[in-house]
Amino acid sequence: AQRVTQPEKLLSVFKGAPVELKCNYSYSGSPELFWYVQYSRQRLQLLLRHISRESIKGFTADLNKGETSFHLKKPFAQEEDSAMYYCALVSGGYQKVTFGTGTKLQVIP
Amino acid sequence: DAGVIQSPRHEVTEMGQEVTLRCKPISGHNSLFWYRQTMMRGLELLIYFNNNVPIDDSGMPEDRFSAKMPNASFSTLKIQPSEPRDSAVYFCASSLATGGYYEQYFGPGTRLTVT
Repeated sequence: AQRVTQPEKLLSVFKGAPVELKCNYSYSGSPELFWYVQYSRQRLQLLLRHISRESIKGFTADLNKGETSFHLKKPFAQEEDSAMYYCALVSGGYQKVTFGTGTKLQVIP
Repeated sequence: DAGVIQSPRHEVTEMGQEVTLRCKPISGHNSLFWYRQTMMRGLELLIYFNNNVPIDDSGMPEDRFSAKMPNASFSTLKIQPSEPRDSAVYFCASSLATGGYYEQYFGPGTRLTVT
């Protein structure tokens, strides 16, 4: 069975500092991985997906199959980055999604 | 489009009562998902439908939980009887699935409190 682990419940960084939100997964097949974000009083929404290899709002995430990781990174944190971040793994033909428990990012001004 | 609509937004009920949560997916989407969010367990997938058919309900906690999707524009999640440990935020999400993975669009959630 697949599993997604986000070891940090809370991550506090100062504005301008680098950010790394950790995500590790276990899955026997070829994974599709995503990061979702939930800003205060807003809906959960897709931030980025590994197959796109894109940078959204300055965030990037690289899939490391050797380490089974998909860490989310940003070189310089902004106050508006404060939110709840969820790592997710998709498996199966019908989009079964397994979410991690989430990490709350707090950017201190 | 107003996005995924859920009702009610908040529900407070007493243990033993029946609770029904409602969801209207985005028009044209063919997949619908129900999730439960708690501090301890994060987001858990309860059940999902494709073209109104339940595909995987292995995440449904027990027989007290049931979900239906009578048509493409409406789904319900029912808890009967409710228990205090069911207190959580319940999210509905929808997507357009045509073979690959497509973004899931989440509703605002229903915050359920069972006393």
